[in-house]
Amino acid sequence: DIQMTQSPSTLSASVGDRVTITCRASQTISHYLAWYQQKPGKAPRLLIYKASTLRSGVPSRFSGSGSGTEFTLTISSLQPDDFATYYCQQYNYLLTFGPGTKVHIK
Amino acid sequence: EVQVVETGGGLIQPGESLRLSCAASGFSVNNNYMTWVRQAPGKGLEWVSVLYSDVNTYYADSVKGRFTISRDNSKNTVYLQMTSLRAEDTAVYYCARVEYYDTNGACDIWGQGTMVTVSS
Repeated sequence: DIQMTQSPSTLSASVGDRVTITCRASQTISHYLAWYQQKPGKAPRLLIYKASTLRSGVPSRFSGSGSGTEFTLTISSLQPDDFATYYCQQYNYLLTFGPGTKVHIK
Repeated sequence: EVQVVETGGGLIQPGESLRLSCAASGFSVNNNYMTWVRQAPGKGLEWVSVLYSDVNTYYADSVKGRFTISRDNSKNTVYLQMTSLRAEDTAVYYCARVEYYDTNGACDIWGQGTMVTVSS
């Protein structure tokens, strides 16, 4: 099975900050990685797929990069609506989610 | 509107069975891969099962042998039959579409979730 890790697990940041979250896979997954945003009591929302492709309608301050086993999600200028938990997910073989990174207000 | 709606959750005793439904609209479950993902209270997302075809289904180790994913194309609905339920199965269960053509397999459409509580 492919295991996913994320760092940090929590992140304190201010509006306007640049935020980077790292996701690592236990084996190579090529570019088959997605990022999701989840707010309390809501379903996850797909932000990025194929590691770096921004889903239509997602603000351009979100970006993704990486391939193989190491990936990053970057928010270039954090906005109030961005305080949430972010999950990476591999779909190279079946599906596996990372443990999540909670972004909260400093 | 393209959406999925989960139903069937509730309070159930350990060892009992429950069937969740995921009704799709705006697309056909027959032409799409579908998955179930769960989230225990205060925890992260856990993949549960995926249906690639009627004979091509997969399960997380934690539910293998107890859960069965299936679909009814005439009702455009996907199901998750859960048996021998345990307290650790308590979670919100989400149904999602695994979109292949653009994303090559990311989950692009999610339902609002249905809560399953296993407790005596």
